Amino acid sequence: DGGITQSPKYLFRKEGQNVTLSCEQNLNHDAMYWYRQDPGQGLRLIYYSQIVNDFQKGDIAEGYSVSREKKESFPLTVTSAQKNPTAFYLCASSMTVTLGYGYTFGSGTRLTVV
Amino acid sequence: GENVEQHPSTLSVQEGDSAVIKCTYSDSASNYFPWYKQELGKGPQLIIDIRSNVGEKKDQRIAVTLNKTAKHFSLHITETQPEDSAVYFCAASIDGGATNKLIFGTGTLLAVQP
Repeated sequence: DGGITQSPKYLFRKEGQNVTLSCEQNLNHDAMYWYRQDPGQGLRLIYYSQIVNDFQKGDIAEGYSVSREKKESFPLTVTSAQKNPTAFYLCASSMTVTLGYGYTFGSGTRLTVV
Repeated sequence: GENVEQHPSTLSVQEGDSAVIKCTYSDSASNYFPWYKQELGKGPQLIIDIRSNVGEKKDQRIAVTLNKTAKHFSLHITETQPEDSAVYFCAASIDGGATNKLIFGTGTLLAVQP
């Protein structure tokens, strides 16, 4: 079955550490996205990628970094510069950047700073 | 840029009653409006969507209406069941624009009381 796989489901980070969240899709989608979800704030866009080797900042990119070396993969690194990283992180993909199709979401990674 | 407002933030109904969630958008160029359902600990899933050339769309107990003039759209769930309990997000985007970025509302927590 096609879909998006996020791992791990739960992640704990110590202060000052960088951590990387994995996102893999087998839908042959060109576009991929990372969202952060906090209670009462909906979904906020961190980064998005329209094609391999290209990505753009979203609304809250500070303290995060991404790469898009393969079409299937769009990992997100939460760096020590992110002051409040505890949140639920969602990865999504869509067919292309110009078609108005909705996204397919992964099941999320819950990151907690300890 | 586009801004999407969603109301109410929480909604409690009795099983069998109807539920209505409303969203307004700011960018008159937006022409694609999906609705997502997110169950606890999972990623959002598309449940219905509507494009601006259509005023209403129905799928079994779920319907969406769009008023382009007023720039608002609504989700209607009839004969609610306990399994309808979840967080619902509306979103808007511009189909055929430079990017397919969806702008999300802040979500509505729907609780269906048995």
